[in-house]
Amino acid sequence: AQKVTQAQTEISVVEKEDVTLDCVYETRDTTYYLFWYKQPPSGELVFLIRRNSFDEQNEISGRYSWNFQKSTSSFNFTITASQVVDSAVYFCALSGYPYNFNKFYFGSGTKLNVKP
Amino acid sequence: NAGVTQTPKFHILKIGQSMTLQCTQDMNHNYMYWYRQDPGMGLKLIYYSVGAGITDKGEVPNGYNVSRSTTEDFPLRLELAAPSQTSVYFCASSLIGQGGHSPLHFGNGTRLTVT
Repeated sequence: AQKVTQAQTEISVVEKEDVTLDCVYETRDTTYYLFWYKQPPSGELVFLIRRNSFDEQNEISGRYSWNFQKSTSSFNFTITASQVVDSAVYFCALSGYPYNFNKFYFGSGTKLNVKP
Repeated sequence: NAGVTQTPKFHILKIGQSMTLQCTQDMNHNYMYWYRQDPGMGLKLIYYSVGAGITDKGEVPNGYNVSRSTTEDFPLRLELAAPSQTSVYFCASSLIGQGGHSPLHFGNGTRLTVT
């Protein structure tokens, strides 16, 4: 079965705190892709990152970093020194080959509130 | 490039009326999708298309129809609108092939209210 679980429904932090958003996935695909999207209060869906299953290197982009661990089927997202502008709903998504190449499966999202 | 363009941005529909949500993309993506997002919830797939002339159902297709006559356009039709179809509708596209998946590119959404 193809499934993405974001167990944290809502997280509240104070500005400058670090925060990690969890994403756990299940797939029977042999090659798969993981994605993170941000949905700010304005409502649009913004792509943040794509990770291939054969590339387990962690990635850092400014204050954002992603930790991909195949052994635990997790693709967690950390924001360092959070800012109010990081307040949004964050979605993790999954697609892959050969069984699910034409669909993207989304988690239920984690709402992040960053307070000044 | 405009990316994925959806129209209208907002619409109020009366129960039983019909309407078409428009979606067009200029990235030459082969795959297109329609999702709905109910308040405070995640995304549910309504329909998708793997190319012109080919469409398939997603998780929640009832009450909707789609067509894909060109690579660029993927309209979503609501027939006999019901209050349960009040939602935000997102169109998205992706390039999927031997080289892998591009990310989903989303339009800005259509906020639809059925009263």
